[in-house]
Amino acid sequence: NAGVTQTPKFQVLKTGQSMTLQCAQDMNHEYMSWYRQDPGMGLRLIHYSVGAGITDQGEVPNGYNVSRSTTEDFPLRLLSAAPSQTSVYFCASRRGGFKQPQHFGDGTRLSIL
Amino acid sequence: EDQVTQSPEALRLQEGESSSLNCSYTVSGLRGLFWYRQDPGKGPEFLFTLYSAGEEKEKERLKATLTKKESFLHITAPKPEDSATYLCAVQDAGEGSGTYKYIFGTGTRLKVLA
Repeated sequence: NAGVTQTPKFQVLKTGQSMTLQCAQDMNHEYMSWYRQDPGMGLRLIHYSVGAGITDQGEVPNGYNVSRSTTEDFPLRLLSAAPSQTSVYFCASRRGGFKQPQHFGDGTRLSIL
Repeated sequence: EDQVTQSPEALRLQEGESSSLNCSYTVSGLRGLFWYRQDPGKGPEFLFTLYSAGEEKEKERLKATLTKKESFLHITAPKPEDSATYLCAVQDAGEGSGTYKYIFGTGTRLKVLA
């Protein structure tokens, strides 16, 4: 029972490079989301999806793209990396309906030089 | 403005020394309050969901309670393995929140000394 799997665990990029952070869940959850976690700040929502083919912006979407072609996968794309995007990125999934807890992956630690 | 504030930022306890962590919130309409545990290098791990004032949930040495303005995570006779960062999150049911708005606090870093 893998839950939410994120790859890679660590990544170093140069400013201007692009990359995709992968997220997969095996719980058949409808909802998936991407957060970033920075020191002294709570988890902040980047983008989210309420089902395959449906995505929407969260609190801090600039510089990131997402797509959701299947229920299981929800990749996050950095279009042109900037030092301000240095952070730890978490993917989460949950069942539909309110009051459902989110289940998180173990994160991708990303450094932009 | 919706806000979730956790206190203290950090807490050091001796093994067996009970204490409480606080999560105060200001939201338009509370749909649920969630407690998570986060170990270094790991993602948040779900502990409890609380829905309405007066509700309590327990798991081993942890007990979570909820009022209309705050939640407490009580830790009874903690052990070193309880050392972690504890996060609180609120799901807002206010106008414009759509189906998906969780507001996270910055967490309390707990260290339990043997």
